[in-house]
Amino acid sequence: KNQVEQSPQSLIILEGKNCTLQCNYTVSPFSNLRWYKQDTGRGPVSLTIMTFSENTKSNGRYTATLDADTKQSSLHITASQLSDSASYICVVIPMDSSYKLIFGSGTRLLVRP
Amino acid sequence: NAGVTQTPKFQVLKTGQSMTLQCAQDMNHEYMSWYRQDPGMGLRLIHYSVGAGITDQGEVPNGYNVSRSTTEDFPLRLLSAAPSQTSVYFCASSYSVPAVDTQYFGPGTRLTVL
Repeated sequence: KNQVEQSPQSLIILEGKNCTLQCNYTVSPFSNLRWYKQDTGRGPVSLTIMTFSENTKSNGRYTATLDADTKQSSLHITASQLSDSASYICVVIPMDSSYKLIFGSGTRLLVRP
Repeated sequence: NAGVTQTPKFQVLKTGQSMTLQCAQDMNHEYMSWYRQDPGMGLRLIHYSVGAGITDQGEVPNGYNVSRSTTEDFPLRLLSAAPSQTSVYFCASSYSVPAVDTQYFGPGTRLTVL
């Protein structure tokens, strides 16, 4: 069964610190892997999209990495800001699917002053 | 551009009532989808559309109907609401198939069924 597991479920860090969120998946083969940011009460917004052949993709202070051999991805946030407080969702798209995306349940990040 | 808009923002229904969740996009996207988001679970696909007049079922379609009469609008109908349909509903759109193109999500509708 295709699954996407994220850890930790929640995380609290101090403003200015770095953090790394993890995503483990069983989807194989897959075409691309995405990270979304979802602010409270809002819809998800795309942060990064990586194809199966890419190892890393950056978007400002956000850097996603992908290890297709171990089926793991991580999202690293550098110099966190209060506005980074949100849920971060990992999404894996199976190779044979046009419409069925596999969403993780997300990591809820709280950045404190 | 307003992007993807959804109405209402919040709704409370009694078991057995019906209602329509509205979704509209002004980006001329052909592909639109409805998802539900439940605590501790990832978003799940309810129905999707590849263009005006064409819809198909997703992962959890039971209890929901959709239609796509125009490119802009993609309403979701709850036929007879049940407590199990308490959830947050998101509409999304993309220029190309969601597997290869970025999806843009609306702000969501929080639905409670008593």
